[in-house]
Amino acid sequence: DQQVKQNSPSLSVQEGRISILNCDYTNSMFDYFLWYKKYPAEGPTFLISISSIKDKNEDGRFTVFLNKSAKHLSLHIVPSQPGDSAVYFCASDSSTSGTYKYIFGTGTRLKVLA
Amino acid sequence: KAGVTQTPRYLIKTRGQQVTLSCSPISGHRSVSWYQQTPGQGLQFLFEYFSETQRNKGNFPGRFSGRQFSNSRSEMNVSTLELGDSALYLCATPSDGGPNSGANVLTFGAGSRLTVL
Repeated sequence: DQQVKQNSPSLSVQEGRISILNCDYTNSMFDYFLWYKKYPAEGPTFLISISSIKDKNEDGRFTVFLNKSAKHLSLHIVPSQPGDSAVYFCASDSSTSGTYKYIFGTGTRLKVLA
Repeated sequence: KAGVTQTPRYLIKTRGQQVTLSCSPISGHRSVSWYQQTPGQGLQFLFEYFSETQRNKGNFPGRFSGRQFSNSRSEMNVSTLELGDSALYLCATPSDGGPNSGANVLTFGAGSRLTVL
């Protein structure tokens, strides 16, 4: 049972436009959601997170929105740049008592066209 | 500060063999988590070690095992390899996500890519 889902395996966007990556989840008990970016031959790197008690978090060109009633979150990248081309994973933090355990989606490959 | 170091980066094995992968966490960190990345499955949690004790375990068969040493370095072992074990194996340690994040942020190594023939 996939508790975190990214239904779009790929997305292409023109440079300078907005990229919107989506993620759905099933468990209302998650405390945090995180977005990671992964380039080929590298490990995932942390991008931005959002607490389950918030509906928006912003960091530079990256904004994450959380819709708890729909169990949906999205990552907006504005403006998109060619260097943003990577695979993006959303993840839920299901850690308890200080342990570290994420549940990841299957990823969305973003291609920003110059 | 040094990041998370994984060795080897690439390896090829045949079915039935076993493999050991190594991870050195960020200096001073006692928690090491392991994840498996396969196409179409994303990253799946294998296990987490803290101060030489397995603290959490994912839904993987007993062929997958791990351990952690007193210097926090960790190894994972996969015995009786199957074709489906071909994957990128990632380890991670907790790190500071910055002032804008209250989440448990993990820093990942570059991974060990295992191919089983």
